[in-house]
Amino acid sequence: RKEVEQDPGPFNVPEGATVAFNCTYSNSASQSFFWYRQDCRKEPKLLMSVYSSGNEDGRFTAQLNRASQYISLLIRDSKLSDSATYLCVKGGYNKLIFGAGTRLAVHP
Amino acid sequence: EAGVAQSPRYKIIEKRQSVAFWCNPISGHATLYWYQQILGQGPKLLIQFQNNGVVDDSQLPKDRFSAERLKGVDSTLKIQPAKLEDSAVYLCASSSGTGSYQPQHFGDGTRLSIL
Repeated sequence: RKEVEQDPGPFNVPEGATVAFNCTYSNSASQSFFWYRQDCRKEPKLLMSVYSSGNEDGRFTAQLNRASQYISLLIRDSKLSDSATYLCVKGGYNKLIFGAGTRLAVHP
Repeated sequence: EAGVAQSPRYKIIEKRQSVAFWCNPISGHATLYWYQQILGQGPKLLIQFQNNGVVDDSQLPKDRFSAERLKGVDSTLKIQPAKLEDSAVYLCASSSGTGSYQPQHFGDGTRLSIL
């Protein structure tokens, strides 16, 4: 079983839609979690950290459920520019473990 | 602030040949990482340096891959000899510390194709 598992998608949504991605992880000892964004043929970039209390950054909301070992990312009012692959990442001791990513395509 | 620099951007070689990639991290970042990203997968850590010492190389195929960071700044990753399954994007990243909570900043990557 992979340490971080994501639905690869693609999620095809119209502009303005709300879309949510989930990610499950194994090894509950992980302390830190993140969402990274990766545009086609580009490098990954940190989107946001994920905290147990949940956190929000504009149209993006991230949640962590340690009991069920999953992480979620909610995007409200989707923009064309949100089209990308979203990588779920867990932090182990001194290193990051990436999921394979969920692809989002926002269309007009 | 200048980002992580990598070269070359693209490389095409035949199997059994050797290849080397170069990375210059963000100034002042003590930790440097090399990742391999195969198409359709997330980045996989190959090796992590703290200054010029190796912190983790557990997933580096040491029979063919080697990496060094001699002066604690820039780094090279070498593959010798290359195999078809080495076709991937090789990403270099750096961070100011070693904890997994430290943001990692990635370079553009080197896209390697093995013929």
